[in-house]
Amino acid sequence: AQKVTQAQTEISVVEKEDVTLDCVYETRDTTYYLFWYKQPPSGELVFLIRRNSFDEQNEISGRYSWNFQKSTSSFNFTITASQVVDSAVYFCALSESAGAGGGNKLTFGTGTQLKVEL
Amino acid sequence: ETGVTQSPTHLIKTRGQQVTLRCSSQSGHNTVSWYQQALGQGPQFIFQYYREEENGRGNFPPRFSGLQFPNYSSELNVNALELDDSALYLCASSLVTAWGTEAFFGQGTRLTVV
Repeated sequence: AQKVTQAQTEISVVEKEDVTLDCVYETRDTTYYLFWYKQPPSGELVFLIRRNSFDEQNEISGRYSWNFQKSTSSFNFTITASQVVDSAVYFCALSESAGAGGGNKLTFGTGTQLKVEL
Repeated sequence: ETGVTQSPTHLIKTRGQQVTLRCSSQSGHNTVSWYQQALGQGPQFIFQYYREEENGRGNFPPRFSGLQFPNYSSELNVNALELDDSALYLCASSLVTAWGTEAFFGQGTRLTVV
């Protein structure tokens, strides 16, 4: 079975600090997709990024950047110059088959609670 | 906002009762998935519907059932509610069922079973 581990349960930083959220995954598939979602207190999961297993190129989007390393099965997420609005729970997820019906599902980690304080 | 809406927002039920949760998918999306998120945990996959048929199921008992309608909206039904069913139930819609398809989530229904 596939598994996603987010070892950091909670991280607290002061505004403008950089912070990295770790994600380690396990899969037997050679083709797979990884995701990061943000969950603010309102509950809705907000899509941040998707990467496929063939694309190890790091990506930067504004203050967000992602480091994907297949050799260590990691897909880490860095927020540069954090802001109070970044406070949320962040989930890493892995896409896998949902069964014989042909669907797909997301396997989520347990999430990292990020608190950014003034 | 994702365009995925869920109702109701909050719900309190008594153990043994039945509940129906509803989800309207984003316009044009033909696939709906349901997830259960217990407090402090990541979402767990319940099942997925594609063109009105179940297209995959997670490790949940048969008392969790669903429907998808011709307009691609969906319902999640839970019979014989148990205290452990208390959770945030999230609906996600996507355009196709293929691997790697981006899923858009609603704000969830918070169910409390007492």
